[in-house]
Amino acid sequence: QSVLTQPPSVSGAPGQRVTISCTGSSTNIGAGYDVHWYQQLPGAAPKLLVYGDSSRPSGVPDRFSGSKSGTSASLAITGLQPEDEGDYYCQSYDNSLSDWDVVFGGGTKLTVL
Amino acid sequence: QAHLVQSGAEVKKPGTSVTVSCKTSGYTFTNYFIYWVRQAPGQGLEWMGWINAGNGDTKYSQNFQGRVAITRDTSASTSYLELGSLRSDDTAVYYCAKGVLPGAIGYWGQGTLVTVSS
Repeated sequence: QSVLTQPPSVSGAPGQRVTISCTGSSTNIGAGYDVHWYQQLPGAAPKLLVYGDSSRPSGVPDRFSGSKSGTSASLAITGLQPEDEGDYYCQSYDNSLSDWDVVFGGGTKLTVL
Repeated sequence: QAHLVQSGAEVKKPGTSVTVSCKTSGYTFTNYFIYWVRQAPGQGLEWMGWINAGNGDTKYSQNFQGRVAITRDTSASTSYLELGSLRSDDTAVYYCAKGVLPGAIGYWGQGTLVTVSS
């Protein structure tokens, strides 16, 4: 069971907007740790998509955006494209056992209908 | 542009240990953390530990305490993951990755499949 909770799957038609939630607690997201998001396409290594809650690395389209509020964060994808199909993971840190433990969400499978 | 190249696939017997290497290039190795993350077949990402490549400080997930060690060779810009007392449920793809501020994991290696089977 993951420390950060994500929906197992989301889906949308091309061109639509989808959001993926990432719910934590007072020992991770709620403690002020940044949230980062990763995209993993089939058969590939994960790729950093959003860092520091809402910033995008160079080369990541602005169709991807992140936000955070309280103990939760969200990733929004607008203008859905077939090549967006894959798995998405949120990541943060946790201090319930000791400081700076890395925690991941369980992952969300995005299906483009 | 950072580049991380990992060692090749391994097949190990239960109870033995495995070492995976991660050779980096394209950046100053000692200025960043290296993270190790694994992914069992069909499962999500699981953090194993990190190393501050500058001073060698390490932190490990409680899930692996006592049987994992992460080291680095600064002269070779390479990090190593050693996992001992292997079990069948350690079968996974093991990734090394370079940390980027503010605590994100920016560049990933290609992954190393470790299969544990008798």
